[in-house]
Amino acid sequence: ELKVEQNPLFLSMQEGKNYTIYCNYSTTSDRLYWYRQDPGKSLESLFVLLSNGAVKQEGRLMASLDTKARLSTLHITAAVHDLSATYFCAVDPGNQFYFGTGTSLTVIP
Amino acid sequence: DTAVSQTPKYLVTQMGNDKSIKCEQNLGHDTMYWYKQDSKKFLKIMFSYNNKELIINETVPNRFSPKSPDKAHLNLHINSLELGDSAVYFCASSRGRGGLETQYFGPGTRLLVL
Repeated sequence: ELKVEQNPLFLSMQEGKNYTIYCNYSTTSDRLYWYRQDPGKSLESLFVLLSNGAVKQEGRLMASLDTKARLSTLHITAAVHDLSATYFCAVDPGNQFYFGTGTSLTVIP
Repeated sequence: DTAVSQTPKYLVTQMGNDKSIKCEQNLGHDTMYWYKQDSKKFLKIMFSYNNKELIINETVPNRFSPKSPDKAHLNLHINSLELGDSAVYFCASSRGRGGLETQYFGPGTRLLVL
């Protein structure tokens, strides 16, 4: 069975610090997605990564994909409180989305 | 204007009932999806629908059936509701065939089966 694992599951970090969330998956996939979900809210698509070596950046967030290692990272630079949310990765090996368990991020002032 | 809308936002019903959740997108997108998020926040895709091509997650019980009257709508019908169906259901849409484009999500429908 395909597994998508995120690490860490919970992350508490101070404002201004940097950190990386990891997403490992167990099958071949050239596509990986990152989403954000605020408490009690819907999901927001952050990044769509479609090839090995893809790197995308939006504000303080940067996502990368290494399909050979079956690993994606979401790097947070100089965290601010507004980034507090749950972040999900998902892979799509063939018209089926498989989500990670989510990483709950809390940024502390 | 709301891009992806769902109705109702909340749905409380008894076991064994049949219910429908409606989804509409005004983005002109070609592909629509239904997702389920359980109480532990675990997300699972249920269906994707593109130009009359339905792709089903094989783990979804056949009590769940998507119905698309037109490209802008993908409704979810659930027969014989069970306690385990309690969850938040999200509709989403994207341009083009699934997976290559950004998805836009609706606000969710919180279903509680008693």
